[in-house]
Amino acid sequence: KAGVTQTPRYLIKTRGQQVTLSCSPISGHRSVSWYQQTPGQGLQFLFEYFSETQRNKGNFPGRFSGRQFSNSRSEMNVSTLELGDSALYLCASSSGPDGTQYFGPGTRLLVL
Amino acid sequence: DQQVKQNSPSLSVQEGRISILNCDYTNSMFDYFLWYKKYPAEGPTFLISISSIKDKNEDGRFTVFLNKSAKHLSLHIVPSQPGDSAVYFCAATRYGGSQGNLIFGKGTKLSVKP
Repeated sequence: KAGVTQTPRYLIKTRGQQVTLSCSPISGHRSVSWYQQTPGQGLQFLFEYFSETQRNKGNFPGRFSGRQFSNSRSEMNVSTLELGDSALYLCASSSGPDGTQYFGPGTRLLVL
Repeated sequence: DQQVKQNSPSLSVQEGRISILNCDYTNSMFDYFLWYKKYPAEGPTFLISISSIKDKNEDGRFTVFLNKSAKHLSLHIVPSQPGDSAVYFCAATRYGGSQGNLIFGKGTKLSVKP
């Protein structure tokens, strides 16, 4: 099976802009989670979608949002970008019951 | 407040020896724990997991031990190989892992020297 894919891999934006990142889960996986990795805070949970519904949400401002489509593909959006949003954004998918999440390679976002 | 802590930022081990990576958690509601390995510029790779109903799980060279009373888990790698050099993350979650919101520690960088 193909793994989790994320596009784009690298992105440069300026403050105030918005960005949309995309994630395609492993075939058959219905849960998609998003994480932000920064040197200072480590890996932090953003939100999780299951069957097109947001099931869990981390402690991030409302500028961070996401959605999931009927084919389980997911997008996350960050509006009004700030310098502190520069990070590696990771998507993970899982089939559910045992909690094992499989991660994609991530999207490296740089906000200037 | 960090719910999952990896207190050693780095660990250096000789090839062939045992590597022991430690992780502590504070939330007694966590009932499923995972270890991931990460190389720079890549996503984390799943290594091994353990449910709170067990105290040990083995997979090849990797063994995870869980001490619920101490809220402590450890990952043993035997024997260690240079290719094991990476950052290792401990993660925890609730509901038997059925929901995808992992709480990660900040990682331990393992260096295995030839």
